[in-house]
Amino acid sequence: DSGVTQTPKHLITATGQRVTLRCSPRSGDLSVYWYQQSLDQGLQFLIQYYNGEERAKGNILERFSAQQFPDLHSELNLSSLELGDSALYFCASSEGASGVDYEQYFGPGTRLTVT
Amino acid sequence: LAKTTQPISMDSYEGQEVNITCSHNNIATNDYITWYQQFPSQGPRFIIQGYKTKVTNEVASLFIPADRKSSTLSLPRVSLSDTAVYYCLVVLLNQAGTALIFGKGTTLSVSS
Repeated sequence: DSGVTQTPKHLITATGQRVTLRCSPRSGDLSVYWYQQSLDQGLQFLIQYYNGEERAKGNILERFSAQQFPDLHSELNLSSLELGDSALYFCASSEGASGVDYEQYFGPGTRLTVT
Repeated sequence: LAKTTQPISMDSYEGQEVNITCSHNNIATNDYITWYQQFPSQGPRFIIQGYKTKVTNEVASLFIPADRKSSTLSLPRVSLSDTAVYYCLVVLLNQAGTALIFGKGTTLSVSS
């Protein structure tokens, strides 16, 4: 158990809809990262937040957005969903004191299925 | 554009040493190279990180040549429980700032 929690575990929705994925980092960790994992693209870094502020950005679509709240939990919002957005979405956390941390603790993931 | 290349799969037997190499170009000068392990239906788990030469911890060693264009993860005496997907992770400085680039992963299958 990494100490990172993600909800929900599974999500099934229709094209065009909007969903919110939630992540609670390990106690004491200030950085949260979001990743998308699919069979064809592998693990793709989406975005990193540190103590409420966006710190690094990867291949995140404009239809996707994220935020980190004062209690340090984070949410990833996916809108206008397409079939190709079906994937496993992972959240990871780290201490975050020195920019990007290489030792990150991953949650169990949320499996999103768009029908 | 930074890109990483790893073998898609490797097979081994229990007790053997396994070396998985990741090639990476244009990585950020001052950043580390990191390796993760992932089991089915779980998130990746940190194994080891290094900047240059050799790093060893209780589960693996990491070899990085001076040019840092590749890195080799070495797993000594693998067991059946080491069957997993192994990813290298590098950092790229792009126009948007800092991005983390995972390799496509190497599926290691260990047999008895």
